[in-house]
Amino acid sequence: QKEVEQNSGPLSVPEGAIASLNCTYSDRGSQSFFWYRQYSGKSPELIMSIYSNGDKEDGRFTAQLNKASQYVSLLIRDSQPSDSATYLCAVTHRGSQGNLIFGKGTKLSVKP
Amino acid sequence: DAGVIQSPRHEVTEMGQEVTLRCKPISGHNSLFWYRQTMMRGLELLIYFNNNVPIDDSGMPEDRFSAKMPNASFSTLKIQPSEPRDSAVYFCATQGYGGGRYDDEQFFGPGTRLTVL
Repeated sequence: QKEVEQNSGPLSVPEGAIASLNCTYSDRGSQSFFWYRQYSGKSPELIMSIYSNGDKEDGRFTAQLNKASQYVSLLIRDSQPSDSATYLCAVTHRGSQGNLIFGKGTKLSVKP
Repeated sequence: DAGVIQSPRHEVTEMGQEVTLRCKPISGHNSLFWYRQTMMRGLELLIYFNNNVPIDDSGMPEDRFSAKMPNASFSTLKIQPSEPRDSAVYFCATQGYGGGRYDDEQFFGPGTRLTVL
């Protein structure tokens, strides 16, 4: 059973702080890793993807991947109240193009 | 582009009734995915199509669920007969090369909130 695990939260951080979201996955064959953001009552939207070990930065977001530890994280710098949402980690593995396996998400709350 | 279009947005029905959910993908996207989201189980892939052909339906929970994609512009997910445990938000998502920042980005529709009484 391929699984993706996330702490459900809620994770509460003050405005301007760094929010750190973590995800572990069970399948060593996982190839692609994604972070989706989902506002309450809305659909998920992709914010970051990462495919190789290391860090990948996009604006205030940094994704970190460690395949040896089967761990992927998302850092949000200078957190804003508008970042308050549920963040979903998703992975695919070789041979299953498009077959995204999602974690249940971490709810982030940024307090003004 | 209008994005992925789903209808209806809300559906309330009684147990035993047939439910049909509809999805219009983003023009040019060749992969289409049906997901179900509940608090207990999170977001689960039910089935996905590539070039209108079903590729993986291992997530379809039971024979009561069926999905079709008769052409590149339309897909349906049908539940017959519906049961209260089918209550969830059903999302359609599509993917196509050149459609987003990443080639494998999936774009989600607004979802259909299904309530089976």
